[in-house]
Amino acid sequence: DADVTQTPRNRITKTGKRIMLECSQTKGHDRMYWYRQDPGLGLRLIYYSFDVKDINKGEISDGYSVSRQAQAKFSLSLESAIPNQTALYFCATSPRPGQGNTGELFFGEGSRLTVL
Amino acid sequence: GQNIDQPTEMTATEGAIVQINCTYQTSGFNGLFWYQQHAGEAPTFLSYNVLDGLEEKGRFSSFLSRSKGYSYLLLKELQMKDSASYLCAVNEAGTALIFGKGTTLSVSS
Repeated sequence: DADVTQTPRNRITKTGKRIMLECSQTKGHDRMYWYRQDPGLGLRLIYYSFDVKDINKGEISDGYSVSRQAQAKFSLSLESAIPNQTALYFCATSPRPGQGNTGELFFGEGSRLTVL
Repeated sequence: GQNIDQPTEMTATEGAIVQINCTYQTSGFNGLFWYQQHAGEAPTFLSYNVLDGLEEKGRFSSFLSRSKGYSYLLLKELQMKDSASYLCAVNEAGTALIFGKGTTLSVSS
């Protein structure tokens, strides 16, 4: 089983619909992240959370919201999906840097979202 | 904010050596990462530099110069399976990793 699990892996939806992408992890990491990837634009940070009570906006948070329900769960919502939110979305986790940890990210397998 | 630049595409042949450069501008530098990403897959960690100098890990090495805001990833003895995107990412203290747009490397026989 994957350490970082994203659901759904693929989703096609229509403009205006509400969509939730879920991420769960068994790595015991405090930190979780949502990125989106578009061809030619690389990975862009949407939101991140350093612990259960911490939520921070990233580079491109407009149109998105997140919920950190527990240490192991971090969900991303699109309240009213639009076509330019069509992308590959990655959840990632990391340990706190220090004590031998670099703080490297561990990624889920990605969720491909298409908004028609 | 951060500005991270790396070439969009590179090509090389099997057995060769290739160097992928990354330049960055940031405040509160707290480390630089390189990731490899094959098409349709998640990125995987390759290397981490926080101090100046070279880190070697098998066929891959990564170099950092903090004063120049510069890093490179060196891939030796290229293999076809090294065809992938290589992502440079910079960490500022207290924030999340920010990625460059990635360099797509094509290795031909």
